[in-house]
Amino acid sequence: EIVMTQSPATLSVSPGERATLSCRASQSVSSNLAWYQQKPGQAPRLLIFSASTRATGIPARFSGGGSGTEFTLTISSLQSEDFAVYYCQQYVNWPITFGQGTRLEIK
Amino acid sequence: EVQLLESGGGLVQPGGSLRLSCVASGFTFTSYAINWVRQAPGKGLEWVSTISSSGGSTYYADSVKGRFTISRDNSKNTLFLQMNSLRAEDTAVYYCARGSQPRGDYWGQGTLVTVSS
Repeated sequence: EIVMTQSPATLSVSPGERATLSCRASQSVSSNLAWYQQKPGQAPRLLIFSASTRATGIPARFSGGGSGTEFTLTISSLQSEDFAVYYCQQYVNWPITFGQGTRLEIK
Repeated sequence: EVQLLESGGGLVQPGGSLRLSCVASGFTFTSYAINWVRQAPGKGLEWVSTISSSGGSTYYADSVKGRFTISRDNSKNTLFLQMNSLRAEDTAVYYCARGSQPRGDYWGQGTLVTVSS
């Protein structure tokens, strides 16, 4: 099983600032990596797939990078609606696995 | 508009059974694999099961293998999850999510399953 590890567990950032979230895979997943955003009481929403491709309707302030085992999600200028929990997911091997999540909170 | 609507959740005793459904609309159902993903209260996301577009291939997490069965009725645009021998640790919101690359480009709103006596 590929273990996905996200860091930090909680990130405190002020609105307008830049946030960088990390995700590490226990073995290479190539670019088979997605990022999701989840707000309280809502289903997850796909932000990024193939490590760096924004999903339909996702603002340009969200960007993904990396390949192999190290990945990042960057939000260039935080808006109030961006404060949420973020998960990475690998989909190269069974079982599909998620990271434990990073909570992005207002500083 | 792509929509996925889950139903069938509820309260069930340990050892009991439940069948979840997910009705899809707004896309060609037969072209997509569909996944079940669950989230225990206050916890992260856990992949449960996937079925291929034709229904010919199925995959399960070790935690549910032998107890849960995924299936689909392509004539009714509906996905199912038959859950048997339920345990307290199966308590979660169950989401259906479309896709293969990645495993979840669109998600339903979820249905809550509570396993308790």
